[in-house]
Amino acid sequence: EAQVTQNPRYLITVTGKKLTVTCSQNMNHEYMSWYRQDPGLGLRQIYYSMNVEVTDKGDVPEGYKVSRKEKRNFPLILESPSPNQTSLYFCASSLSQGALAGAVTGELFFGEGSRLTVL
Amino acid sequence: AQSVTQLGSHVSVSEGALVLLRCNYSSSVPPYLFWYVQYPNQGLQLLLKYTTGATLVKGINGFEAEFKKSETSFHLTKPSAHMSDAAEYFCAVSYFGNEKLTFGTGTRLTIIP
Repeated sequence: EAQVTQNPRYLITVTGKKLTVTCSQNMNHEYMSWYRQDPGLGLRQIYYSMNVEVTDKGDVPEGYKVSRKEKRNFPLILESPSPNQTSLYFCASSLSQGALAGAVTGELFFGEGSRLTVL
Repeated sequence: AQSVTQLGSHVSVSEGALVLLRCNYSSSVPPYLFWYVQYPNQGLQLLLKYTTGATLVKGINGFEAEFKKSETSFHLTKPSAHMSDAAEYFCAVSYFGNEKLTFGTGTRLTIIP
């Protein structure tokens, strides 16, 4: 089954304790991205990756790190979480578009979300 | 910077009535436009998209949207609402040469029996 898998789905942690949210996709997609969803703000892009070893900042990258060592995995790292990072996080993936690479024109496939609470 | 504006954070319609969810984008270059739906406790899934070609786009579950360049709009419609349409809907935009997909703030659709 084609899917994007995130773990953990729920996490409560404390300020400053490093954590990693894993994301894995089995569709051989080049493009992967992390979003956070907050009430009234919609989804905001944190980081994205067009392919292995290629990552770039989205609109709200502060306090987050990512890596893309393998095509299927795109972990989100919070080195020193703070309460303002309490949110619902989504990982997503998509095919690049060949000659149209350089734009997101294909369907994004989303994971089920990871709800993070930082105390 | 690319952006989309969704008018109305909450919309309520009666079952069987027309659904109209509004989305306007800001751009000086041709956009790629999307509508996604999020059911409770789930991730988002694509309803429909406009990239090139026909400006009236049909999606899943009876939804459609029309790209109107003169109005910079991409409103989502469905002729007859069903209880199962209750969800949150997001409009999104991207552009060639910009690898981001930017979402609006969402519209929560409630269906009244």
